[in-house]
Amino acid sequence: DTGVSQDPRHKITKRGQNVTFRCDPISEHNRLYWYRQTLGQGPEFLTYFQNEAQLEKSRLLSNRFSAERPKGSFSTLEIQRTEQGDSAMYLCASSLGGVTRDTQYFGPGTRLTVL
Amino acid sequence: GQQLNQSPQSMFIQEGEDVSMNCTSSSIFNTWLWYKQDPGEGPVLLIALYKAGELTSNGRLTAQFGITRKDSFLNISASIPSDVGIYFCAGQLVNTDKLIFGTGTRLQVFP
Repeated sequence: DTGVSQDPRHKITKRGQNVTFRCDPISEHNRLYWYRQTLGQGPEFLTYFQNEAQLEKSRLLSNRFSAERPKGSFSTLEIQRTEQGDSAMYLCASSLGGVTRDTQYFGPGTRLTVL
Repeated sequence: GQQLNQSPQSMFIQEGEDVSMNCTSSSIFNTWLWYKQDPGEGPVLLIALYKAGELTSNGRLTAQFGITRKDSFLNISASIPSDVGIYFCAGQLVNTDKLIFGTGTRLQVFP
């Protein structure tokens, strides 16, 4: 499968714990995006990378959240001291970038439940 | 966060019927995308639109990029049971790379 992959698919944690999610983009895609989706809503943008550079962060991304893409390939999203309000689906998307008709393709998501 | 106005919120139709849904915004977009999402999965791209007035088809699906660049619609003809799911529009503002999503249209198809 050459699509966007995410790991784990599901994560249950207790409030106050740290969690880390991984995203592997489509091969040769330079851009990688993170979105969050709560129940009954559309995805909301969190942050994105062009290669290893983090170019934009949403105000939704509190200081408990950190994202990295150290070698310009896979990315990790870490949430420290999780809160119940962090429960959501975390989606990763990738795109070629630098082309006129750039299109974002999404992975299957990581469902986080904070107890 | 910002979300686009998408309507209708939900639709219950009989197999074989046509479906229409739309998205509107107060802002101008340079890209409109339509995705379908099944429960517990990520959004799957259906149609991408890059130019005002553009009309694009993908099988039984047809979507258009509004002339004002502030709206888009998606039509599904001759619906079938596997069309069931949540449909999202997404727009990309000028000079930004992030997508802003609509609130979704939940489609149910009855045999």
